[in-house]
Amino acid sequence: GAVVSQHPSRVICKSGTSVKIECRSLDFQATTMFWYRQFPKQSLMLMATSNEGSKATYEQGVEKDKFLINHASLTLSTLTVTSAHPEDSSFYICSASLGGASYEQYFGPGTRLTVT
Amino acid sequence: ILNVEQSPQSLHVQEGDSTNFTCSFPSSNFYALHWYRWETAKSPEALFVMTLNGDEKKKGRISATLNTKEGYSYLYIKGSQPEDSATYLCALNRDDKIIFGKGTRLHILP
Repeated sequence: GAVVSQHPSRVICKSGTSVKIECRSLDFQATTMFWYRQFPKQSLMLMATSNEGSKATYEQGVEKDKFLINHASLTLSTLTVTSAHPEDSSFYICSASLGGASYEQYFGPGTRLTVT
Repeated sequence: ILNVEQSPQSLHVQEGDSTNFTCSFPSSNFYALHWYRWETAKSPEALFVMTLNGDEKKKGRISATLNTKEGYSYLYIKGSQPEDSATYLCALNRDDKIIFGKGTRLHILP
């Protein structure tokens, strides 16, 4: 199957700083990439959908100025958590797809963010 | 609120036994249902994408059925093996949204 990498796998940062997470599709060109977060014992919650070269579509309740998404190429999307707070501590995971949400998604391994 | 429910939350199965679990979802405006397997410390892996009522899909010992009219899908595992231990997620695609269930955590006992 298609491979998606995510970096870093784990990051600890201080309150007020920004953290960038990269999501790369290694062996295919992804039309669409998705960003999720997961709180303990909860389901994956879609944060935003991004298409290469256009602005991301954010889900209701997700602050676009806080979670900056850039999808500069068909193989790379980045999520930047700006001015991080402890409540942003979570597991963030990306996926990539050859089409929209109805297509099979290929997931990265996720990033564990801890904000102190 | 659009809810995707999976049951049971957790399941212990003896190696060699067969098992199944459920994904329930609102049946209106259905578009597609996805099943994923998520092993610890790995990426979720796509198992099936199902779109038609009555769909049955199979991959090795794993199969799934779909009933869009009553809003449920079953995932079956035949002759469980240790490598089947994982969390199985279903996700509903509807109205251009994708909503995941919390998953069923499957433990295979040797």
